[in-house]
Amino acid sequence: GQSLEQPSEVTAVEGAIVQINCTYQTSGFYGLSWYQQHDGGAPTFLSYNALDGLEETGRFSSFLSRSDSYGYLLLQELQMKDSASYFCAVNSGGYQKVTFGTGTKLQVIP
Amino acid sequence: EAGVTQFPSHSVIEKGQTVTLRCDPISGHDNLYWYRRVMGKEIKFLLHFVKESKQDESGMPNNRFLAERTGGTYSTLKVQPAELEDSGVYFCASSQGTSGSNEQFFGPGTRLTVL
Repeated sequence: GQSLEQPSEVTAVEGAIVQINCTYQTSGFYGLSWYQQHDGGAPTFLSYNALDGLEETGRFSSFLSRSDSYGYLLLQELQMKDSASYFCAVNSGGYQKVTFGTGTKLQVIP
Repeated sequence: EAGVTQFPSHSVIEKGQTVTLRCDPISGHDNLYWYRRVMGKEIKFLLHFVKESKQDESGMPNNRFLAERTGGTYSTLKVQPAELEDSGVYFCASSQGTSGSNEQFFGPGTRLTVL
Protein backbone atom coordinates (compact mmCIF):
# COMPACT_ATOMS: atom_id res chain seq x y z
CA GLY A 1 0.00 0.00 0.00
CA GLN A 2 0.85 3.66 0.07
CA SER A 3 1.74 5.90 3.00
CA LEU A 4 2.78 9.53 3.08
CA GLU A 5 4.13 11.63 5.92
CA GLN A 6 4.17 15.38 6.23
CA PRO A 7 4.26 17.74 9.22
CA SER A 8 0.86 18.46 10.68
CA GLU A 9 1.38 22.20 11.21
CA VAL A 10 3.80 24.91 10.14
CA THR A 11 3.82 28.59 11.06
CA ALA A 12 5.71 31.20 9.07
CA VAL A 13 5.93 34.98 8.83
CA GLU A 14 4.49 36.98 5.98
CA GLY A 15 7.13 37.62 3.33
CA ALA A 16 9.28 34.69 4.42
CA ILE A 17 9.98 31.32 2.77
CA VAL A 18 8.59 28.02 4.02
CA GLN A 19 9.30 24.44 3.00
CA ILE A 20 6.81 21.62 3.54
CA ASN A 21 8.35 18.17 3.38
CA CYS A 22 6.76 14.92 2.30
CA THR A 23 8.14 11.40 2.51
CA TYR A 24 6.33 8.48 0.99
CA GLN A 25 6.30 4.72 0.73
CA THR A 26 4.52 3.34 -2.26
CA SER A 27 4.49 0.78 -5.00
CA GLY A 28 4.17 1.70 -8.62
CA PHE A 29 5.21 5.32 -8.16
CA TYR A 30 4.57 7.66 -11.08
CA GLY A 31 4.87 11.09 -9.53
CA LEU A 32 4.20 13.43 -6.63
CA SER A 33 1.50 16.08 -6.66
CA TRP A 34 0.71 18.96 -4.33
CA TYR A 35 -2.72 20.36 -3.56
CA GLN A 36 -3.85 23.38 -1.56
CA GLN A 37 -7.05 23.51 0.45
CA HIS A 38 -8.40 26.58 2.21
CA ASP A 39 -10.74 26.05 5.15
CA GLY A 40 -14.18 25.14 3.86
CA GLY A 41 -12.95 24.98 0.28
CA ALA A 42 -12.08 22.36 -2.29
CA PRO A 43 -8.52 21.09 -2.81
CA THR A 44 -6.87 22.70 -5.81
CA PHE A 45 -3.95 21.36 -7.79
CA LEU A 46 -0.62 23.17 -7.40
CA SER A 47 2.12 21.13 -9.01
CA TYR A 48 3.37 17.74 -10.14
CA ASN A 49 6.82 16.16 -10.26
CA ALA A 50 7.46 12.98 -12.19
CA LEU A 51 11.23 13.36 -12.43
CA ASP A 52 13.90 14.35 -9.93
CA GLY A 53 14.49 18.03 -9.54
CA LEU A 54 12.77 21.31 -8.96
CA GLU A 55 9.65 22.58 -10.72
CA GLU A 56 8.89 26.27 -10.35
CA THR A 57 5.52 27.95 -10.79
CA GLY A 58 5.57 31.55 -9.66
CA ARG A 59 6.04 31.79 -5.91
CA PHE A 60 5.62 28.04 -5.50
CA SER A 61 8.23 25.40 -6.28
CA SER A 62 8.13 21.65 -5.82
CA PHE A 63 11.03 19.23 -5.56
CA LEU A 64 11.29 15.48 -5.92
CA SER A 65 13.97 12.93 -5.15
CA ARG A 66 12.78 9.51 -6.25
CA SER A 67 15.78 7.72 -4.77
CA ASP A 68 15.00 9.20 -1.35
CA SER A 69 11.21 8.88 -1.69
CA TYR A 70 11.07 12.51 -0.67
CA GLY A 71 9.68 15.74 -1.94
CA TYR A 72 8.91 19.22 -0.75
CA LEU A 73 6.83 22.24 -1.57
CA LEU A 74 8.55 25.61 -1.28
CA LEU A 75 6.50 28.75 -0.87
CA GLN A 76 8.29 32.07 -1.28
CA GLU A 77 7.25 35.62 -0.43
CA LEU A 78 4.53 34.28 1.80
CA GLN A 79 1.22 36.09 1.79
CA MET A 80 -1.59 35.89 4.32
CA LYS A 81 -3.78 34.21 1.70
CA ASP A 82 -1.32 31.30 1.62
CA SER A 83 -2.67 30.16 4.98
CA ALA A 84 -4.24 26.83 4.10
CA SER A 85 -3.68 23.09 4.25
CA TYR A 86 -1.21 21.60 1.79
CA PHE A 87 -1.38 17.96 0.74
CA CYS A 88 1.22 15.90 -1.02
CA ALA A 89 -0.21 13.08 -3.09
CA VAL A 90 1.32 10.10 -4.83
CA ASN A 91 0.27 9.10 -8.33
CA SER A 92 0.39 5.36 -8.79
CA GLY A 93 -1.53 2.52 -10.39
CA GLY A 94 -1.12 3.68 -13.95
CA TYR A 95 -0.94 7.31 -12.70
CA GLN A 96 -4.68 7.45 -12.32
CA LYS A 97 -4.76 6.50 -8.65
CA VAL A 98 -3.88 9.36 -6.34
CA THR A 99 -3.21 8.80 -2.63
CA PHE A 100 -3.17 11.87 -0.41
CA GLY A 101 -1.09 12.56 2.68
CA THR A 102 -2.49 13.82 5.96
CA GLY A 103 -1.93 17.47 5.05
CA THR A 104 0.11 20.29 6.56
CA LYS A 105 -1.74 23.25 7.98
CA LEU A 106 0.22 26.40 7.18
CA GLN A 107 -0.44 29.50 9.20
CA VAL A 108 1.05 32.73 7.90
CA ILE A 109 1.40 35.41 10.57
CA PRO A 110 2.06 39.14 10.14
CA GLU B 1 -16.46 25.87 -18.40
CA ALA B 2 -18.38 24.61 -15.38
CA GLY B 3 -16.39 22.92 -12.65
CA VAL B 4 -17.23 19.88 -10.59
CA THR B 5 -20.48 20.34 -8.73
CA GLN B 6 -21.84 18.45 -5.76
CA PHE B 7 -25.23 18.29 -4.16
CA PRO B 8 -26.21 18.87 -1.44
CA SER B 9 -23.64 21.15 0.13
CA HIS B 10 -24.71 20.11 3.60
CA SER B 11 -26.74 17.21 4.94
CA VAL B 12 -27.75 16.51 8.52
CA ILE B 13 -29.38 13.15 9.14
CA GLU B 14 -30.01 10.82 12.01
CA LYS B 15 -28.23 7.55 12.55
CA GLY B 16 -29.94 4.81 10.57
CA GLN B 17 -31.24 7.08 7.84
CA THR B 18 -30.21 7.04 4.19
CA VAL B 19 -28.43 9.81 2.34
CA THR B 20 -27.52 10.11 -1.32
CA LEU B 21 -24.80 12.46 -2.49
CA ARG B 22 -24.51 13.55 -6.08
CA CYS B 23 -21.52 14.63 -8.13
CA ASP B 24 -21.47 16.12 -11.61
CA PRO B 25 -17.95 16.01 -13.04
CA ILE B 26 -16.46 18.31 -15.63
CA SER B 27 -17.87 17.41 -19.02
CA GLY B 28 -15.60 15.02 -20.90
CA HIS B 29 -13.73 13.79 -17.84
CA ASP B 30 -13.71 10.01 -17.83
CA ASN B 31 -12.21 9.69 -14.36
CA LEU B 32 -14.39 10.36 -11.34
CA TYR B 33 -13.23 9.93 -7.77
CA TRP B 34 -14.90 10.02 -4.37
CA TYR B 35 -12.94 11.03 -1.27
CA ARG B 36 -13.78 11.68 2.36
CA ARG B 37 -12.12 14.00 4.84
CA VAL B 38 -12.94 13.40 8.48
CA MET B 39 -12.18 15.94 11.25
CA GLY B 40 -9.27 17.59 9.43
CA LYS B 41 -7.49 14.34 8.72
CA GLU B 42 -6.23 13.06 5.40
CA ILE B 43 -8.24 13.12 2.22
CA LYS B 44 -9.12 9.45 2.13
CA PHE B 45 -9.73 7.75 -1.19
CA LEU B 46 -13.05 5.91 -1.49
CA LEU B 47 -13.33 4.85 -5.11
CA HIS B 48 -12.53 5.61 -8.72
CA PHE B 49 -14.71 5.34 -11.81
CA VAL B 50 -13.47 5.27 -15.36
CA LYS B 51 -16.54 6.19 -17.33
CA GLU B 52 -19.28 3.98 -15.88
CA SER B 53 -16.96 1.25 -14.58
CA LYS B 54 -15.56 1.00 -11.08
CA GLN B 55 -11.81 0.98 -11.56
CA ASP B 56 -10.92 0.80 -7.88
CA GLU B 57 -13.24 0.67 -4.89
CA SER B 58 -10.67 -0.42 -2.35
CA GLY B 59 -11.33 2.61 -0.17
CA MET B 60 -15.03 1.99 0.39
CA PRO B 61 -15.43 1.45 4.14
CA ASN B 62 -18.11 -1.23 4.05
CA ASN B 63 -21.21 -2.39 2.25
CA ARG B 64 -23.28 0.47 3.64
CA PHE B 65 -21.71 2.61 0.93
CA LEU B 66 -22.87 2.23 -2.67
CA ALA B 67 -21.57 4.31 -5.56
CA GLU B 68 -22.94 4.41 -9.06
CA ARG B 69 -22.14 6.27 -12.23
CA THR B 70 -24.91 5.63 -14.69
CA GLY B 71 -23.99 6.35 -18.29
CA GLY B 72 -20.56 7.53 -17.29
CA THR B 73 -21.76 11.03 -16.45
CA TYR B 74 -22.84 12.02 -12.96
CA SER B 75 -22.27 9.81 -9.95
CA THR B 76 -24.14 9.13 -6.74
CA LEU B 77 -22.85 7.89 -3.41
CA LYS B 78 -25.47 6.38 -1.13
CA VAL B 79 -24.94 5.67 2.54
CA GLN B 80 -27.52 3.28 3.97
CA PRO B 81 -27.92 3.08 6.92
CA ALA B 82 -25.78 5.99 8.06
CA GLU B 83 -23.67 5.67 11.20
CA LEU B 84 -22.10 8.35 13.39
CA GLU B 85 -18.61 7.66 12.03
CA ASP B 86 -19.77 8.46 8.50
CA SER B 87 -19.76 12.17 9.33
CA GLY B 88 -17.27 14.19 7.34
CA VAL B 89 -16.82 16.08 4.12
CA TYR B 90 -17.28 14.03 0.97
CA PHE B 91 -15.40 15.33 -2.03
CA CYS B 92 -15.81 14.36 -5.62
CA ALA B 93 -13.08 14.97 -8.16
CA SER B 94 -12.73 14.40 -11.86
CA SER B 95 -9.86 14.27 -14.31
CA GLN B 96 -9.23 13.61 -17.95
CA GLY B 97 -6.54 11.10 -17.07
CA THR B 98 -4.64 11.83 -20.24
CA SER B 99 -1.83 13.86 -18.69
CA GLY B 100 0.93 12.46 -16.54
CA SER B 101 -0.06 14.56 -13.57
CA ASN B 102 -3.67 13.34 -13.65
CA GLU B 103 -4.62 16.75 -12.26
CA GLN B 104 -7.82 16.30 -10.36
CA PHE B 105 -10.48 18.96 -10.18
CA PHE B 106 -12.38 18.86 -6.92
CA GLY B 107 -15.94 19.81 -6.20
CA PRO B 108 -16.85 21.95 -3.17
CA GLY B 109 -17.75 18.89 -1.12
CA THR B 110 -20.79 17.73 0.78
CA ARG B 111 -20.59 18.13 4.54
CA LEU B 112 -22.43 15.17 6.08
CA THR B 113 -23.37 15.19 9.73
CA VAL B 114 -24.87 12.05 11.25
CA LEU B 115 -26.54 12.61 14.61
